[in-house]
Amino acid sequence: GESVGLHLPTLSVQEGDNSIINCAYSNSASDYFIWYKQESGKGPQFIIDIRSNMDKRQGQRVTVLLNKTVKHLSLQIAATQPGDSAVYFCAGGGGNEKLTFGTGTRLTIIP
Amino acid sequence: NAGVTQTPKFQVLKTGQSMTLQCAQDMNHEYMSWYRQDPGMGLRLIHYSVGAGITDQGEVPNGYNVSRSTTEDFPLRLLSAAPSQTSVYFCASSNSLSASGNTIYFGEGSWLTVV
Repeated sequence: GESVGLHLPTLSVQEGDNSIINCAYSNSASDYFIWYKQESGKGPQFIIDIRSNMDKRQGQRVTVLLNKTVKHLSLQIAATQPGDSAVYFCAGGGGNEKLTFGTGTRLTIIP
Repeated sequence: NAGVTQTPKFQVLKTGQSMTLQCAQDMNHEYMSWYRQDPGMGLRLIHYSVGAGITDQGEVPNGYNVSRSTTEDFPLRLLSAAPSQTSVYFCASSNSLSASGNTIYFGEGSWLTVV
């Protein structure tokens, strides 16, 4: 099966700076990954996804990078804002397998 | 569009009590599931359903029952609550159960404390 984890439980970033949140996975057969944002007291919200046939995908202020060689993906948030403070976690899986979720990194934006 | 709606938001139970967490979705998704979220752990799948009348066990099913009488509703029942079931519960729905190309939509969560 798949195991998905995150490198750091917490991350503090100055407002306006860019932030990078990392995630590692174990199953080389995993071909789909999602990043979720979870604000305090709320359910996880979809941010961006990426398939294994891509190395990079960009959204609004967010970029996901996938390195299949080392089984690592990252979420980059540009020009962070106070509203970006939340827990971010990745999820991954492949084929008919259900998604496996990581534990999350708590991002704090310092004013 | 309400998405996935769960009730109650907060609940305190005594050990041995039973209760039902309600979940409804209005996106006509075939797939619905229940997860629990505990500190230091990723979301863990409790039970899931691939359509009305069909349910199956996830990673941590013990102590929970589900039913799927309609496409919209997927209640989670705690048969005899235990302190180990203190957790945050999330209902989710999606177009597919498989990982590939699938976006899972989550409810706002139900905070359950068993004393």
